[in-house]
Amino acid sequence: NAGVTQTPKFRILKIGQSMTLQCTQDMNHNYMYWYRQDPGMGLKLIYYSVGAGITDKGEVPNGYNVSRSTTEDFPLRLELAAPSQTSVYFCAIISEGSGANVLTFGAGSRLTVL
Amino acid sequence: GNSVTQMEGPVTLSEEAFLTINCTYTATGYPSLFWYVQYPGEGLQLLLKATKADDKGSNKGFEATYRKETTSFHLEKGSVQVSDSAVYFCALSLYNQGGKLIFGQGTELSVKP
Repeated sequence: NAGVTQTPKFRILKIGQSMTLQCTQDMNHNYMYWYRQDPGMGLKLIYYSVGAGITDKGEVPNGYNVSRSTTEDFPLRLELAAPSQTSVYFCAIISEGSGANVLTFGAGSRLTVL
Repeated sequence: GNSVTQMEGPVTLSEEAFLTINCTYTATGYPSLFWYVQYPGEGLQLLLKATKADDKGSNKGFEATYRKETTSFHLEKGSVQVSDSAVYFCALSLYNQGGKLIFGQGTELSVKP
């Protein structure tokens, strides 16, 4: 997971609380992604960004917000946490020059909403 | 729409057994296909990929062939080891889609000594 750093690794929230999951990359890549992983469901794309100042919704954006003010950082914000947002969250970047859309993932952030 | 379907798990094998994990896809256009592996407590990492029909991706004894006629990308390994125990994800991406990957649901593999 070198190059993509996610914090925190674990967090427990109460319903209605807010928090930000941080994602930082040091490889100057333009494309960044947030996925959530639920058991038996694979990974679902929440939001993505193709460069600083540009973000777009993925498959499951409701309840989340993102920003991309710099190339390095792509934080994911939960404004009003709900139990349905209990999941493992992965940030990823494209490994450019790979000849295909190969993603490099962070180690993940496990979030529990009670 | 675009989607990926994987064989359901968990799959339990004895060491040195032959492994097949089935993956089929539906896509508008010509996708690139991937297998990612997730070891316990870690993020996903690329195992192998294929970018066009009849390409074979291979890595660490695993291989998969991009079969356009059957829209499949089955993962195989001739002799599994305990260290191969992990969750395996099949995925596709389409050109000019912002690099987004569409994942299958994952197949958990457990290899017993």
